Amino acid sequence: AQSVTQPDIHITVSEGASLELRCNYSYGATPYLFWYVQSPGQGLQLLLKYFSGDTLVQGIKGFEAEFKRSQSSFNLRKPSVHWSDAAEYFCAVGAGGGNKLTFGTGTQLKVEL
Amino acid sequence: NAGVMQNPRHLVRRRGQEARLRCSPMKGHSHVYWYRQLPEEGLKFMVYLQKENIIDESGMPKERFSAEFPKEGPSILRIQQVVRGDSAAYFCASSPNGQGRHEQYFGPGTRLTVT
Repeated sequence: AQSVTQPDIHITVSEGASLELRCNYSYGATPYLFWYVQSPGQGLQLLLKYFSGDTLVQGIKGFEAEFKRSQSSFNLRKPSVHWSDAAEYFCAVGAGGGNKLTFGTGTQLKVEL
Repeated sequence: NAGVMQNPRHLVRRRGQEARLRCSPMKGHSHVYWYRQLPEEGLKFMVYLQKENIIDESGMPKERFSAEFPKEGPSILRIQQVVRGDSAAYFCASSPNGQGRHEQYFGPGTRLTVT
């Protein structure tokens, strides 16, 4: 069974600083990987996804993520954080059958002005 | 193109009552997924349905919970005889098919409070 670990529960960065959110997964085959963002009281919005090809994927809002098979990681990055990026970020893995997603426990991002 | 719609957005039930949560997928989507988010936790898969079929219910509690996605109308998640531990946010997602490379589009959620 697949699993996802997000080791950082809370992260605080200053506006304009760079950001990296960590995600490690466990899955026997090539996974489908996703990053979602959730604002308070809202649903989840997809930032980016990876299922094959170039291991560096670009997403919305200036985010990118890099798939590293050797490290079983799919870390999310942004070069310059904006105050509006404050939210909770979830990494998820989809099995090859494509139905259910397994989510990490999330990383709460706080942005200091 | 309307997104995934869920209603009600907030639902308060007393212990022992029934809760019915509705989900209308995006237009053209025939696959629906239900997830539950407990406080301070990530989302946990509950059930995956296509029209008139339950495909995977491995995440559903064995008792009191049921789900359906009829030929016409929204998908329904039904919780009978609710208990305080059922208090959570319930999210519905839809996709055009069941292939993993297609993202799931999430609704805004229904926040269930059991008093």
